[in-house]
Amino acid sequence: GNSVTQMEGPVTLSEEAFLTINCTYTATGYPSLFWYVQYPGEGLQLLLKATKADDKGSNKGFEATYRKETTSFHLEKGSVQVSDSAVYFCALTPTGTASKLTFGTGTRLQVTL
Amino acid sequence: EPEVTQTPSHQVTQMGQEVILRCVPISNHLYFYWYRQILGQKVEFLVSFYNNEISEKSEIFDDQFSVERPDGSNFTLKIRSTKLEDSAMYFCASRANTYSTDTQYFGPGTRLTVL
Repeated sequence: GNSVTQMEGPVTLSEEAFLTINCTYTATGYPSLFWYVQYPGEGLQLLLKATKADDKGSNKGFEATYRKETTSFHLEKGSVQVSDSAVYFCALTPTGTASKLTFGTGTRLQVTL
Repeated sequence: EPEVTQTPSHQVTQMGQEVILRCVPISNHLYFYWYRQILGQKVEFLVSFYNNEISEKSEIFDDQFSVERPDGSNFTLKIRSTKLEDSAMYFCASRANTYSTDTQYFGPGTRLTVL
């Protein structure tokens, strides 16, 4: 079956540091890949997505590139802010259906001044 | 901007009691989902719903669970006889159409505590 593996958290960074959160996946075919973010006390919000190999999703300074050869979709940001503190979830859904999302375990990011 | 809403935000119940969690999906969306997240664990799919019937369900979604769209706006999850292990955050989501690239929009969640 499909699965998503994320790096363990929490990740603690100083403001303006570079962020990488690793995500790898197992799936048949060509799934669509997503990063969702959950700010404290809020629901899951779509951060970015990519639907085919070599696509780069980007939003709010975050980027992730769909790498078919390494089955990865790592999240990066060049300079994090305190307001980026949240839990980040990598997820996938199979192509061609209105199917469920399969999530990773989530990575908590804490950014300090 | 349209959003998915859920009520209540927190529900406390006794083991064996029935609970109904409510969701109002985005108004022109066609696909509806329930997910749950047990504290410290990953978000897990429970069920998807389209055209007034279940389109997919997980092994978690046993006979104790049911979903309904009782009117044109609400989408509910019922747990008939709650167990301690049902304590979790329950998220509702909706999606506009059938393309897998289409985004699922999530509500803020209902935290269910079973005592």
